[in-house]
Amino acid sequence: YVLTQPPSLSVAPGKTARLTCGGSNIGTESVEWYQQRPGQAPVLIMYYDSERPSGIPERFSGSNSGNTATLTINGVEAGDEADYYCQVWDSRSLQVMFGGGTKLTVL
Amino acid sequence: QVQLVQSGAEVRKPGSSVKVSCKTSGDSFRNFAINWVRQAPGQGLEWMGAIIVVFNKVYYSQKFQDRLSITADTPTNTAYMELRGLRYEDTALYYCARIDCSDGNCFPGPGLDRWGQGTPVTVSS
Repeated sequence: YVLTQPPSLSVAPGKTARLTCGGSNIGTESVEWYQQRPGQAPVLIMYYDSERPSGIPERFSGSNSGNTATLTINGVEAGDEADYYCQVWDSRSLQVMFGGGTKLTVL
Repeated sequence: QVQLVQSGAEVRKPGSSVKVSCKTSGDSFRNFAINWVRQAPGQGLEWMGAIIVVFNKVYYSQKFQDRLSITADTPTNTAYMELRGLRYEDTALYYCARIDCSDGNCFPGPGLDRWGQGTPVTVSS
């Protein structure tokens, strides 16, 4: 099962970033999202498609339908500059799969 | 707050093995699935495998299943990852990360919500 993420995305401060994760019928899967800042371990920022762990700002939201899952960041801030990875559980191969990651740059 | 503390940096020769530990704090270790994820320099996240502690059930990535072993020791709240037949391309930062399966779901589940600090493994002759 392959998850496809655009390698990079640039957004101006205060604008909205939409990070996509493509996969065959991904809308039938549960998708998680992770944020990884340089030199740090990844942080879970979304699970079960659209659930935010405690401490994650409401600016972050998630959706999943058809062949695309989307992480939306409203009011982008300089501190949101990081790599973002989507993840699913592939029930056919019994493996966790990560997307290749998107590097978000805040202009 | 649960913490995952990993063992220190390792340097190994090609063909040898490495074993990395991941000790969790608290008393809910049996409710966890401990995952191992690695990240080569400048690259993305790569899932290697996981163990559902309460069932001692292990899942391996097809890429690593022939040379990877994941175990858990419940009395010490510690999980282990052993990779054999090391190659230069195994040089990476190795993370353990937990899934809290308390709601009855591990895979799919509520995500890898606590991560260790990472253990650098360097394969060099």
